[in-house]
Amino acid sequence: GENVEQHPSTLSVQEGDSAVIKCTYSDSASNYFPWYKQELGKGPQLIIDIRSNVGEKKDQRIAVTLNKTAKHFSLHITETQPEDSAVYFCAASKKDSSYKLIFGSGTRLLVRP
Amino acid sequence: NAGVTQTPKFQVLKTGQSMTLQCAQDMNHNSMYWYRQDPGMGLRLIYYSASEGTTDKGEVPNGYNVSRLNKREFSLRLESAAPSQTSVYFCASSVKLSGANVLTFGAGSRLTVL
Repeated sequence: GENVEQHPSTLSVQEGDSAVIKCTYSDSASNYFPWYKQELGKGPQLIIDIRSNVGEKKDQRIAVTLNKTAKHFSLHITETQPEDSAVYFCAASKKDSSYKLIFGSGTRLLVRP
Repeated sequence: NAGVTQTPKFQVLKTGQSMTLQCAQDMNHNSMYWYRQDPGMGLRLIYYSASEGTTDKGEVPNGYNVSRLNKREFSLRLESAAPSQTSVYFCASSVKLSGANVLTFGAGSRLTVL
């Protein structure tokens, strides 16, 4: 089955710097790649997603890139702010089992003021 | 608009006790899910319900049962709780957009089994 690996497990950056989180997936049939942000004591919240027919997607300070050949995708956060501190999860699913979203193990991002 | 509501938020059980986690969504979504979250392991799918009247196993279904009571409600039952089921449980619902299921999660239920 699908396996999603996420790195790093923890990331500490200075406010204003950029942060990059990387994920790799194993099943070349995967076609949907969302990113979720989880703040302390809350459920994960979708922040951006990308589909396999697109290489890059941006939404203000966040962007996601997808390399289908290498089977990896990344989350980029620019001009980080303290409120970006949270746990971020990548995930993947494929068309013929779209209900089975497989998550990475998470990255704890700390933005130092 | 409440979104996805889970109850209870916290529960402590003794080994062998049973309990049911309740979940309701008010977004008219067809599909609902139960995930568990353990440190260093991300979220793992326990069961899902693609539509009212159907349920299917996810990655880690052993020790759990589910009921899709109606379109709004999806419950998770532990018949005989074990310490390995200590976890944070998340309910979610989804809408299908361009072939992909986009999930909205509840706030979670923290379960401790002693």
